[in-house]
Amino acid sequence: GENVEQHPSTLSVQEGDSAVIKCTYSDSASNYFPWYKQELGKRPQLIIDIRSNVGEKKDQRIAVTLNKTAKHFSLHITETQPEDSAVYFCAARYTGTASKLTFGTGTRLQVTL
Amino acid sequence: DTAVSQTPKYLVTQMGNDKSIKCEQNLGHDTMYWYKQDSKKFLKIMFSYNNKELIINETVPNRFSPKSPDKAHLNLHINSLELGDSAVYFCASSQLVSGGVADTQYFGPGTRLTVL
Repeated sequence: GENVEQHPSTLSVQEGDSAVIKCTYSDSASNYFPWYKQELGKRPQLIIDIRSNVGEKKDQRIAVTLNKTAKHFSLHITETQPEDSAVYFCAARYTGTASKLTFGTGTRLQVTL
Repeated sequence: DTAVSQTPKYLVTQMGNDKSIKCEQNLGHDTMYWYKQDSKKFLKIMFSYNNKELIINETVPNRFSPKSPDKAHLNLHINSLELGDSAVYFCASSQLVSGGVADTQYFGPGTRLTVL
């Protein structure tokens, strides 16, 4: 099965700086990589995703890059704001007979003023 | 206009009791999931149903039994609750696209289960 590793586990940045979270996956058959943001006490919400036929995707201050050869993908947040503070999860979809998302262990991002 | 809803939001119960959590989605999706998020925030899939058929059944104690009366509902029944069952349980749904692969998963608000 798929195994997803995520680093760092905690990240503190100053407002306006950039934040980068990295994930690696084990199954080369995985073809879909979403990122979820979970605020305290709330549900995980999709913020951006990337499919294996694309190397990079951007949505305003958020971007995701995918390196299929190295089997890693990263989330980049530019011009961070206090409301970006949350736990971020990467995930990879294992393309077996059932579509299963395997999540990373999460990164707690703290944006300080 | 709630897309994925769960009840109850909080559940506090004694060890040994039996309890159920309900989930409903109004997105017209055909695939639903149960996840467990423990105190360290790890999100782990437990079950998945597609059109009322069980398609993912992870290594979960058989005290946990999912039931899908129709494709818009997926309930989770837990027998003989144990302290280690305390966690937040999230329901999610998605729509199968071409090739039999499910697309984006949308999560419910979660049910915080506390076993005393």
